[in-house]
Amino acid sequence: AQSVTQPDIHITVSEGASLELRCNYSYGATPYLFWYVQSPGQGLQLLLKYFSGDTLVQGIKGFEAEFKRSQSSFNLRKPSVHWSDAAEYFCAVAPNQAGTALIFGKGTTLSVSS
Amino acid sequence: GAVVSQHPSRVICKSGTSVKIECRSLDFQATTMFWYRQFPKQSLMLMATSNEGSKATYEQGVEKDKFLINHASLTLSTLTVTSAHPEDSSFYICSARDGRQGSYNEQFFGPGTRLTVL
Repeated sequence: AQSVTQPDIHITVSEGASLELRCNYSYGATPYLFWYVQSPGQGLQLLLKYFSGDTLVQGIKGFEAEFKRSQSSFNLRKPSVHWSDAAEYFCAVAPNQAGTALIFGKGTTLSVSS
Repeated sequence: GAVVSQHPSRVICKSGTSVKIECRSLDFQATTMFWYRQFPKQSLMLMATSNEGSKATYEQGVEKDKFLINHASLTLSTLTVTSAHPEDSSFYICSARDGRQGSYNEQFFGPGTRLTVL
């Protein structure tokens, strides 16, 4: 069965510092991979996605993620964090077939200190 | 494009009443819609998958008689929480898959509905 692991429950980063959020997945083939951000009480906003092709994916708000097949990872990065980036981040996978739901990791809470 | 709306955004009801939540795809036809549930400080858990014109497929442990899902058109799915109890209080999020996308499995999420049962 597919699964997603986000090893870090809570991360605190200083404003202006770099950020890396980890995501590992378990799936027999290459899945579709997503990163979402959720502010308190809000819905999900898609940051970026990987379907195929270039393994380094650029997203919105200055985020990027790199798909590493050998490590079954899809880590999210940002070179310089802003206070407004404080939120909950979810990694999700979907089998590469139509009509299937996403499987979400448990999420990582990002706090930004000044 | 690819906007999904949910209504209401927030609802408070008394225990024992039923609540209907609507999920609409505003600018595309959604052949498949998904309903998720999110408890505070937790991740999204899939409740059910609904395909237009057919019965929903529920995940293990989700009571189909309690959470009624109707996907009567290509732009609307509804989730009705019947005889709601305080333990049903949660954040309910729908997503919709654009049927024109072919094999791509991208889904678009609604803003969520906060249900509080007193």
